[in-house]
Amino acid sequence: AQKITQTQPGMFVQEKEAVTLDCTYDTSDPSYGLFWYKQPSSGEMIFLIYQGSYDQQNATEGRYSLNFQKARKSANLVISASQLGDSAMYFCAMREYSTQGGSEKLVFGKGTKLTVNP
Amino acid sequence: NAGVTQTPKFRILKIGQSMTLQCAQDMNHNYMYWYRQDPGMGLKLIYYSVGAGITDKGEVPNGYNVSRSTTEDFPLRLELAAPSQTSVYFCASSSGVLYSNQPQHFGDGTRLSIL
Repeated sequence: AQKITQTQPGMFVQEKEAVTLDCTYDTSDPSYGLFWYKQPSSGEMIFLIYQGSYDQQNATEGRYSLNFQKARKSANLVISASQLGDSAMYFCAMREYSTQGGSEKLVFGKGTKLTVNP
Repeated sequence: NAGVTQTPKFRILKIGQSMTLQCAQDMNHNYMYWYRQDPGMGLKLIYYSVGAGITDKGEVPNGYNVSRSTTEDFPLRLELAAPSQTSVYFCASSSGVLYSNQPQHFGDGTRLSIL
């Protein structure tokens, strides 16, 4: 079963408008972290925002905010005032912890391709 | 700021050839990871390491080997290249502090084609 589900393969938004990219996750561990990464056409992975499972408030980083609904197991990314440079793939990822060896791993969704139109 | 450095950036291999993808980080991170990204997909974990001398398999380890002799370096070895290994490979590192808000830092990737 998919641990991270991004149901929108592609999204379109007009420049200066807001857009929400969906992410749902599946875990039985009470301690986890959720990340969003941006991958532009040049290919690098750029960290955008983080939400911890125990964080009381939704995370915000500039134009990025995370709509975290723990009971629904969703962590949607909201981009306000879209810019042409926001056109990219966006990946949601969940950090899982293993008590054996104290390791951590990231599990990625399949991504959403965002296109910002002028 | 170098961060995570991967070499080479591009490589074409013939079926059956071997090669090593290099990865180095200068952030003194304990944890290092190798992922592969197939077209239109997210990243899948190949191998990871929690410190020098310690490695473990991820989700898709078959056909690959790793070693971690130093904190800084985490090379990925392909012994007998197969067309199914055509992919973009990413190396990443993190501090390894459990439950921290620090992300994994990624290299720029190695685009590998097996023909």
